[in-house]
Amino acid sequence: KQEVTQIPAALSVPEGENLVLNCSFTDSAIYNLQWFRQDPGKGLTSLLLIQSSQREQTSGRLNASLDKSSGRSTLYIAASQPGDSATYLCAVTLNQAGTALIFGKGTTLSVSS
Amino acid sequence: DAEITQSPRHKITETGRQVTLACHQTWNHNNMFWYRQDLGHGLRLIHYSYGVQDTNKGEVSDGYSVSRSNTEDLPLTLESAASSQTSVYFCASSAYSGGPYNEQFFGPGTRLTVL
Repeated sequence: KQEVTQIPAALSVPEGENLVLNCSFTDSAIYNLQWFRQDPGKGLTSLLLIQSSQREQTSGRLNASLDKSSGRSTLYIAASQPGDSATYLCAVTLNQAGTALIFGKGTTLSVSS
Repeated sequence: DAEITQSPRHKITETGRQVTLACHQTWNHNNMFWYRQDLGHGLRLIHYSYGVQDTNKGEVSDGYSVSRSNTEDLPLTLESAASSQTSVYFCASSAYSGGPYNEQFFGPGTRLTVL
């Protein structure tokens, strides 16, 4: 059974710091991996999607990498800002496009000014 | 703009009542999903559909049902609401294809309280 783990569960950093969020999965047979952001009491916003054949994806200050063989992904946030404070969720799909997501429990990030 | 909406956004009901949560998407996506989010468990899959008349059970499907009569809607029904079903429910959709179109998009969620 695929399990997705995110470490740490919570992280506090000062504004301007570069940081890395970690995601690991037990079954390397994934189709893709998606990173989401969730603000308190809100829905999920998709940040980045990495296909299994890709190594990384970038969007603005965000960079996500994927090492399928080792079952790991990282989300790098450059020059963090207070507005980045949120919970970040990692999720994988198995085997083929369009299947359901298996989520980690998230990392709650707090960026202080 | 295409979007995915859920209604109601908040619902309080009593144990034993039947409740239906609505999900409507204008992406014209074939795939639709229902998840619940609970502290300590994260998001877990309840039911999903890959097209009209197709429905499938997810990890935590007991006590829930769905039906898919058109592309746009996937209502979630709680047959007899239980306190254990107090949760935040999210609907999501994705296109049935490879490439960049299999990204899942989520609705704003419905907070359900069963008393």
